[in-house]
Amino acid sequence: DGGITQSPKYLFRKEGQNVTLSCEQNLNHDAMYWYRQDPGQGLRLIYYSQIVNDFQKGDIAEGYSVSREKKESFPLTVTSAQKNPTAFYLCASSIYGGQRTEAFFGQGTRLTVV
Amino acid sequence: AQKITQTQPGMFVQEKEAVTLDCTYDTSDQSYGLFWYKQPSSGEMIFLIYQGSYDEQNATEGRYSLNFQKARKSANLVISASQLGDSAMYFCAMRVKIQGAQKLVFGQGTRLTINP
Repeated sequence: DGGITQSPKYLFRKEGQNVTLSCEQNLNHDAMYWYRQDPGQGLRLIYYSQIVNDFQKGDIAEGYSVSREKKESFPLTVTSAQKNPTAFYLCASSIYGGQRTEAFFGQGTRLTVV
Repeated sequence: AQKITQTQPGMFVQEKEAVTLDCTYDTSDQSYGLFWYKQPSSGEMIFLIYQGSYDEQNATEGRYSLNFQKARKSANLVISASQLGDSAMYFCAMRVKIQGAQKLVFGQGTRLTINP
């Protein structure tokens, strides 16, 4: 079945550590996105990528980094520079171009700093 | 500024009643798309319905319909005959184009609770 897979589902990070969240899609979508969601809040855009080897900062990119070496994969690294990383992280993908292209989401990764 | 506003933090509705979730948007683009997503407690985001800025008719998908009023820049979601399983967070989103790149902007969400 086509879809987006995020792993792990739960992640615990010690202060000062970098962690990488995985996002893989087999929908052949060009565009991929990372969002952060805090409890009771909406989704805020961290990074997005329209094509391989290219990505743009979203609204809250500080303390995060991404790469897009393959069309299928868009991993997110939460660095030690991110002061408050505890949140729910959602990855999404969509066809690039046109309006009638809803984003498909993964199941999310819940990151907790311990 | 490209922005989505959902003014209802929470809504409580009796089962089988219809419910309207409000969404207003702000954009200077002529071409844009509006989406509604449902987020149950499990966290996944489920696509519900889409409305294009050039669509003349309101979108419908089963029990979901979108009341699109372009001049007022509103895109309210209507759920008919609500069910207990409709209890969830609901997000309105808009696809915008910034410097050639497309992205989705989300509202703060409305938590809908269906009472038996």
